Amino acid sequence: SYELTQPPSVSVSPGQTARITCSGDALPKQYAYWYQQKPGQAPVLVIYKDSERPSGIPERFSGSSSGTTVTLTISGVQAEDEADYYCQSADSSGTYKVFGGGTKLTV
Amino acid sequence: QVQLQESGPGLVKPSQTLSLTCTVSGGSISSGSYYWSWIRQPAGKGLEWIGRIYTSGSTNYNPSLKSRVTISVDTSKNQFSLKLSSVTAADTAVYYCAREIAVAGKNDYWGQGTLVTVSS
Repeated sequence: SYELTQPPSVSVSPGQTARITCSGDALPKQYAYWYQQKPGQAPVLVIYKDSERPSGIPERFSGSSSGTTVTLTISGVQAEDEADYYCQSADSSGTYKVFGGGTKLTV
Repeated sequence: QVQLQESGPGLVKPSQTLSLTCTVSGGSISSGSYYWSWIRQPAGKGLEWIGRIYTSGSTNYNPSLKSRVTISVDTSKNQFSLKLSSVTAADTAVYYCAREIAVAGKNDYWGQGTLVTVSS
């Protein structure tokens, strides 16, 4: 079945830029979504349709897409951004959704 | 403000069927263009998409779970449900329900999650 690949962990210092990648064969055809999850909480959407930011999400969160890889960028990382981040997309036919394995961001 | 709340047994015996319900408040489950989804997360592991049901009643399932999963909707109660048959310890997880906006593809509202343990 279809898979999305993320690095297990990313570590940055406060104020730096964090980049989390997600790779999948169907990403040129299907949008990607990014969710932030803090311990004991439900996931929160931070980016949708590759690069759109929901209302209420800080401008330091941005998304981009290039071929089979999408990237979540957090500029000027803050301590509160420490969390697990998951990309989500669909298979090439759009029949079912899949999550990446998740990336633990350490600040 | 839409809210989702999962409910159901917290303990299920191996080989039995796991049944969960998600109650939607703050909006009608039968109006608008939405998918109503189930997602799970084993302790210390990542998210796994289980499946979804559209407002019209059509369903999509994770191929790896498809043979054991049924998602249904009860519009009279503003609820949708998950049934997962022949469970094993590997099905122990926090189960989330969520709303997906069909045109945007985004899960904008999530329940708080409910832990289901499979054990004898």
